[in-house]
Order: sequence, then structure tokens, then C-alpha cells
Amino acid sequence: DGGITQSPKYLFRKEGQNVTLSCEQNLNHDAMYWYRQDPGQGLRLIYYSQIVNDFQKGDIAEGYSVSREKKESFPLTVTSAQKNPTAFYLCASSIKAGANVLTFGAGSRLTVL
Amino acid sequence: GDSVTQMEGPVTLSEEAFLTINCTYTATGYPSLFWYVQYPGEGLQLLLKATKADDKGSNKGFEATYRKETTSFHLEKGSVQVSDSAVYFCALRTNTGNQFYFGTGTSLTVIP
Repeated sequence: DGGITQSPKYLFRKEGQNVTLSCEQNLNHDAMYWYRQDPGQGLRLIYYSQIVNDFQKGDIAEGYSVSREKKESFPLTVTSAQKNPTAFYLCASSIKAGANVLTFGAGSRLTVL
Repeated sequence: GDSVTQMEGPVTLSEEAFLTINCTYTATGYPSLFWYVQYPGEGLQLLLKATKADDKGSNKGFEATYRKETTSFHLEKGSVQVSDSAVYFCALRTNTGNQFYFGTGTSLTVIP
């Protein structure tokens, strides 16, 4: 079955360390997104990519970086510059930018110790 | 700017009770409106959508009607089940951009 795979599901990081969250999709979708979910704040967009080798900052991009070297992969790096990285991170994709339906992965929970 | 405001939870209902979760939006132009559902430990799944005024989205017994005059998209279900326990997110996508805007989510617990 097609879908989005995020890994790892749980991740612990010490302060000052960078960490990379994986997102892979086999849906042949052009657009991919990273959201951060915090209690009581809903989902906030970190970065999105409309096509390979292209990406744009979302509302809360500071302290994060991404790459889109392959259509199926959109990894997110949480850098040490991110002041409060403990959160639930969700990757999503859509068939093209501006499409009406987002397909989500199961998420990765990052905890900074 | 574009935004979604939804009813705060948590909401606790008995099985077979009627459910309403309120959602209002602010947007330029004519957005598409959505309800997504998140079951524990999972990502979000699309529950229903409506792309123009007066459209009614429906799925699994849930319904929501796009009301332009009141800028609302309230979620309803006539008889909830324990399996409906989840967090529900209202969302919009404007027709001028590629971003989705999500509400803060409403947690629903249905007790037998």
C-alpha cells in the first residue's frame, strides 16, 4: 500500500545536538510538507517543497533545515539553533502543490533531554 | 491573515450522543474547508471536505456544511461511537496559496 513512512517514531536528543527526521513517500506525490504539533497549538508549517530541489520556509522555519534531493524523500533536520525542539513532527504530502488533500505520516516524537 | 478557530475541548460524550464541534474561519477569497481526524499515536487523516459555499462534506456519519455567510464549517454527527474518540482538526486552504491552516484541535472522548 502507498503511504508515508516517518522514522524514527520516538527520538531523544541532548541539548546542542542536531537530529534528522526521515520522511519517505511512495505515493508519487510532488509536494511534501513538515508540520510541528504542540499541545493546544494545532499544526504549524515548518517547511514545504513543491518539487524536487525546491523548498520554501513555512511559518516557523527558524532552527530547522530540509532537503529535497529525491521526489520520495524530504528529511527534516532539527538543529541546535531551535530553542524549543521537543514536539511531535508530522510529514505530509499532496499530489501537487495546492491540491486539496494532504496525506500524513504517523509522526515522530522528539524529546530533548 | 488566514486562520481557523475551533471549539476548545476536551469534549466527553456518552455513546449515541449528538456531536457538534464548532469551527469558524478567516480567509481572503474562497477557501476550501476540511476536517481531519487524528487517532492516538497516528498522523492526521482526511475526514471530509467542502470546496465551495453551501457544499456539504460527509463521511462515516459525520457532516459539515460550508457556510459563507457565517464563515463556519461545524462538524456534526448524530450518534457517536466509542471508536470516534480522537482529536478533530478543522483546516482551510486558500485558493491563492499552497498552505493549509489548521485549528488547534478538539479532543473527543466517547464513553460506553
